[in-house]
Amino acid sequence: AQSVSQHNHHVILSEAASLELGCNYSYGGTVNLFWYVQYPGQHLQLLLKYFSGDPLVKGIKGFEAEFIKSKFSFNLRKPSVQWSDTAEYFCAVNAQGTYKYIFGTGTRLKVLA
Amino acid sequence: EAQVTQNPRYLITVTGKKLTVTCSQNMNHEYMSWYRQDPGLGLRQIYYSMNVEVTDKGDVPEGYKVSRKEKRNFPLILESPSPNQTSLYFCASSTKQGWDEKLFFGSGTQLSVL
Repeated sequence: AQSVSQHNHHVILSEAASLELGCNYSYGGTVNLFWYVQYPGQHLQLLLKYFSGDPLVKGIKGFEAEFIKSKFSFNLRKPSVQWSDTAEYFCAVNAQGTYKYIFGTGTRLKVLA
Repeated sequence: EAQVTQNPRYLITVTGKKLTVTCSQNMNHEYMSWYRQDPGLGLRQIYYSMNVEVTDKGDVPEGYKVSRKEKRNFPLILESPSPNQTSLYFCASSTKQGWDEKLFFGSGTQLSVL
């Protein structure tokens, strides 16, 4: 069955620390990959996405993610987090040519000032 | 302003009383979908629609109905709500798949079924 696993459910970091959130997916075909973020009191919004090409993709607010096909992974990174990055982060996949999205369970990030 | 509008924002109801959560988008998007968000389970897709009169089941469609009679509207119908449908619901819309594909989400509807 198709699935998305996010390994860290809760992460607490101090400002300026580096961040890496893990995401692994299980799917037999070609997929599109996404990271969405939900800041407190706000809508879910797109952080970055991968469709094809360069496996290292850059998103908003200094985030980046690397698609490693052999590991079925799409980990999210940021070199230096800020207090304003406190949010819930969701990894998602959909199969190319379909609109069936699978989301991970989310990672709650808390950044201490 | 481009947006997805859901109503109501909060809803408390009783078991078995039919309800409808509305969703409307002003971006002329073909694709719309409904999700429920539960602690520890993330977002799970309930139904999606690829265009007017075209809908399909997501991962958790049981107990829900949808309709897509107009491009801008995609209501979620619970004909006989049960307590296990207590959840936070999100509607989303998107352009067709491509480089500019991204989901635009509504503000969410917190539903409690007593």
